[in-house]
Amino acid sequence: GAGVSQSPSNKVTEKGKDVELRCDPISGHTALYWYRQSLGQGLEFLIYFQGNSAPDKSGLPSDRFSAERTGGSVSTLTIQRTQQEDSAVYLCASSSRIGVNSPLHFGNGTRLTVT
Amino acid sequence: DAKTTQPTSMDCAEGRAANLPCNHSTISGNEYVYWYRQIHSQGPQYIIHGLKNNETNEMASLIITEDRKSSTLILPHATLRDTAVYYCIVRHDKAAGNKLTFGGGTRVLVK
Repeated sequence: GAGVSQSPSNKVTEKGKDVELRCDPISGHTALYWYRQSLGQGLEFLIYFQGNSAPDKSGLPSDRFSAERTGGSVSTLTIQRTQQEDSAVYLCASSSRIGVNSPLHFGNGTRLTVT
Repeated sequence: DAKTTQPTSMDCAEGRAANLPCNHSTISGNEYVYWYRQIHSQGPQYIIHGLKNNETNEMASLIITEDRKSSTLILPHATLRDTAVYYCIVRHDKAAGNKLTFGGGTRVLVK
């Protein structure tokens, strides 16, 4: 079946511009997570959504970062006034439910380059 | 989350079983052991997870010691396409959203 889909796969933007990254989770998955991975680094948790509950934004690095999930499905991660240190691969994952026994399934990410 | 310790890197022979160790000596009773791998330029791929019993699926087997302080991921017949970074993660049911916390992983080279 279809996995987690992210678009665009690559994005190059100029410093100071805003960008939007999109995630289409696996159909029926109620939990959605955003991570980022800087070059040669591990995965850093950003934010997660579960159903209609308030999102956990504890991992967002600054107030330039925000995310929303409309209709409990598609999610958009927005970075305002991009900086060069925002360059990374942004990964989205979904799981069928919140629970320690429910695996996360990842997309292949959006590679963001800020020039 | 309980911390995990993995070798930084490992070489494995193509066609042979690959045994990837992981130590998680501070694991608590309600924490699961998860394994993911990440092939270059792709997102992490779920492999397998378990609580205390050994688990097997089409990709791999997971052997968890009786005291749960360590585990081994077994790839039964390693191929060149299994070259990747393998992450052993202990997932806590009290972590917000049960999110996964990734460490450094083991860089596995199949040759």
